[in-house]
Amino acid sequence: GENVEQHPSTLSVQEGDSAVIKCTYSDSASNYFPWYKQELGKRPQLIIDIRSNVGEKKDQRIAVTLNKTAKHFSLHITETQPEDSAVYFCAAAFSNTGNQFYFGTGTSLTVIP
Amino acid sequence: EPEVTQTPSHQVTQMGQEVILRCVPISNHLYFYWYRQILGQKVEFLVSFYNNEISEKSEIFDDQFSVERPDGSNFTLKIRSTKLEDSAMYFCASSEYAGRFRVFGSGTRLTVV
Repeated sequence: GENVEQHPSTLSVQEGDSAVIKCTYSDSASNYFPWYKQELGKRPQLIIDIRSNVGEKKDQRIAVTLNKTAKHFSLHITETQPEDSAVYFCAAAFSNTGNQFYFGTGTSLTVIP
Repeated sequence: EPEVTQTPSHQVTQMGQEVILRCVPISNHLYFYWYRQILGQKVEFLVSFYNNEISEKSEIFDDQFSVERPDGSNFTLKIRSTKLEDSAMYFCASSEYAGRFRVFGSGTRLTVV
């Protein structure tokens, strides 16, 4: 099965700085890569996703890049704000079957005011 | 915005007892999922359900677990004889179609004592 690794496990940045979280996956068949944000005690919520036919996607301060050859994808948050503090999970899936999402182990991001 | 609804939000049960966790997926979604998250750990896939049958399940989803869609709106997860290690947050999720992102419910925190 797929194996998703995520780094770093914790990340602290000063408000206004950028944060980058990286994930690697093992199954070259994976073609869908969502990112979820989970605030303490709350549900995971999708923040951005990317499909394998696209190399980069941006939504305001959030961007995701995908390198299919190297099998890694990254989340970039620019101009971080305290409300960005949360645990971020990447995931990989073969979307054609719609079944298992393989989640990374999570990155706890703290934005220091 | 449509939401996935879960009840109860918190359930405490004695070891060996049966529990049923309930979910109401988004009405036009066709795929349903259960995930588990042990405190401080990543989200783990349990099972996916489509067209009134299980389409995929993980190793965690053993004979103690079962899922059901008893009517047109509810989706339930039953644990027949709970163990201490079943204590976790259980998230229901649904998606519109196979390749679409999952929308997570707010979770049920299960505590087995």
